[in-house]
Amino acid sequence: NAGVTQTPKFQVLKTGQSMTLQCAQDMNHNSMYWYRQDPGMGLRLIYYSASEGTTDKGEVPNGYNVSRLNKREFSLRLESAAPSQTSVYFCASSERETYEQYFGPGTRLTVT
Amino acid sequence: GESVGLHLPTLSVQEGDNSIINCAYSNSASDYFIWYKQESGKGPQFIIDIRSNMDKRQGQRVTVLLNKTVKHLSLQIAATQPGDSAVYFCAETGGAQKLVFGQGTRLTINP
Repeated sequence: NAGVTQTPKFQVLKTGQSMTLQCAQDMNHNSMYWYRQDPGMGLRLIYYSASEGTTDKGEVPNGYNVSRLNKREFSLRLESAAPSQTSVYFCASSERETYEQYFGPGTRLTVT
Repeated sequence: GESVGLHLPTLSVQEGDNSIINCAYSNSASDYFIWYKQESGKGPQFIIDIRSNMDKRQGQRVTVLLNKTVKHLSLQIAATQPGDSAVYFCAETGGAQKLVFGQGTRLTINP
């Protein structure tokens, strides 16, 4: 039981490049989330998926897209990376009936 | 909009002492609160939660207190150990299975 896994762990992009961050959970959770964490700040919600087949915007969705590929997987895509998207990205999942979220180890992204 | 904040960004305590980390929240309609611990280079880890119909909940060496009158949440860690060094976040429900996180408090332990 690996919990929530994220790939890659680290990534450096040039401005304008695109990439997809992958997330998978093996806890059979319905809800999945993408957050970003900037230095000295808490987590800000980018997008979430309350259940398979649905996605909704969070607090800071601009510049990102998501895909809930199936119940296990939820990916985050940056179509044209900008330096302002330099951050640590966390994926999380939770049961539908509870608020407790389980987090992955994070992806550290640098955009130059 | 909803916001969750912390009174102090850093807290330094002596090993063996009790730690108290505070959090102010603004949404009086929130019905669930969680404390997370984040160690360096890792994702946040659940510590303890409390529902709005409670004012205290205890776990192993941790206690969460909720004062709805002043919209204040605190995390007490008993007999603080070096392994407790981390950033601690409070979070409140933000509707539709969402959580709103505070900025975090960095707890450092002095030997």
